[in-house]
Amino acid sequence: EAGVAQSPRYKIIEKRQSVAFWCNPISGHATLYWYQQILGQGPKLLIQFQNNGVVDDSQLPKDRFSAERLKGVDSTLKIQPAKLEDSAVYLCASSPRGQGGETQYFGPGTRLLVL
Amino acid sequence: AQSVTQPDIHITVSEGASLELRCNYSYGATPYLFWYVQSPGQGLQLLLKYFSGDTLVQGIKGFEAEFKRSQSSFNLRKPSVHWSDAAEYFCAVDGRGDYKLSFGAGTTVTVRA
Repeated sequence: EAGVAQSPRYKIIEKRQSVAFWCNPISGHATLYWYQQILGQGPKLLIQFQNNGVVDDSQLPKDRFSAERLKGVDSTLKIQPAKLEDSAVYLCASSPRGQGGETQYFGPGTRLLVL
Repeated sequence: AQSVTQPDIHITVSEGASLELRCNYSYGATPYLFWYVQSPGQGLQLLLKYFSGDTLVQGIKGFEAEFKRSQSSFNLRKPSVHWSDAAEYFCAVDGRGDYKLSFGAGTTVTVRA
């Protein structure tokens, strides 16, 4: 079974530029999550999708971050414009149904450096 | 406020020695509890999880964890550490109602020969 795929693996941009990350979840998983992991901290949930609908985006800085999951499969997270504090690893995860106690399966992450 | 605390930022252990990583949580009711491991450049991998029932949970790679309700703790243990266990370990909590994972800050484990 293929795992969660993410690209690119690394990205370096200058502040005020825009950047996009892509995630393809495990086939058949209804729920998709984007996390931000700042160095020295645990992952923090940015947004959760159930199929192609947003379940929770309360922690997403909506003035600069956007995400979509068209057709309920793969997803894109965008930052525009980027700030220095956006330097982090962006993790995508998926789970079968998004129910309590389910295992979330994580991709390798995209490491973003904003200069 | 709901929170997950991992008191130890960094632990160094000798190969073959035992390992214990601490995790404390603050939630209104007993949440679902998880331990994940993250190797350098990798995503997070689930080691084990607790739902209910037996308070001693067995996981992959020889890890186990014990849930103690009275102490609001879910500590991870391994009797004999291998060099490949060097990684960062995260405790996570799902609050049984919001179905969201909240992670601790992580504990980095270094294994010395």
